[in-house]
Amino acid sequence: EAEVAQSPRYKITEKSQAVAFWCDPISGHATLYWYRQILGQGPELLVQFQDESVVDDSQLPKDRFSAERLKGVDSTLKIQPAELGDSAMYLCASSLVDRASDTQYFGPGTRLTVL
Amino acid sequence: DAKTTQPTSMDCAEGRAANLPCNHSTISGNEYVYWYRQIHSQGPQYIIHGLKNNETNEMASLIITEDRKSSTLILPHATLRDTAVYYCIVRFPGYSSASKIIFGSGTRLSIRP
Repeated sequence: EAEVAQSPRYKITEKSQAVAFWCDPISGHATLYWYRQILGQGPELLVQFQDESVVDDSQLPKDRFSAERLKGVDSTLKIQPAELGDSAMYLCASSLVDRASDTQYFGPGTRLTVL
Repeated sequence: DAKTTQPTSMDCAEGRAANLPCNHSTISGNEYVYWYRQIHSQGPQYIIHGLKNNETNEMASLIITEDRKSSTLILPHATLRDTAVYYCIVRFPGYSSASKIIFGSGTRLSIRP
């Protein structure tokens, strides 16, 4: 069964450093999502792409976070500079562009620890 | 903010049915009820969704009250692998920004041997 791939699975960095996470959605899925999940809470949407275009980035802290999906396939989420409060799980999900089948499939996530 | 209210935690004996309640009193006519679960250290997994009719698939059953203000997810024969956080979500179907998933804190379900 096809899966959403994410790397790295774990990342430890020091505050003020730059970090980047990569996501490869399920083949054919035009919609891609990045979520942040703080320990003990549910995931929170950061940004949504439709192909290479941003649909919703209202919760993305744009002063330090950026996301791109240049060719409409894989995507990168970057944080620069990282802060202590950015420690969290970063999840990527993808879905078909099909109202009859809008299930979001999640990857395993990248756990970020900022020291 | 999440549009649903769920108990913080529940437990169930292995082999028994696990019934997870969810209140969504402000649900609008076109919003669906979705359930996802998240096993420790994994990404969330879709379980089931419905509008107003009861739904069943290979994983679970979803019972929605007639007034649609509450629902119950039923895992008919719970196993240890069903230990997870279960999220009840109300949303419009599709992929527009109006359809985004807003997760609450969910219900932590523990299955005891």
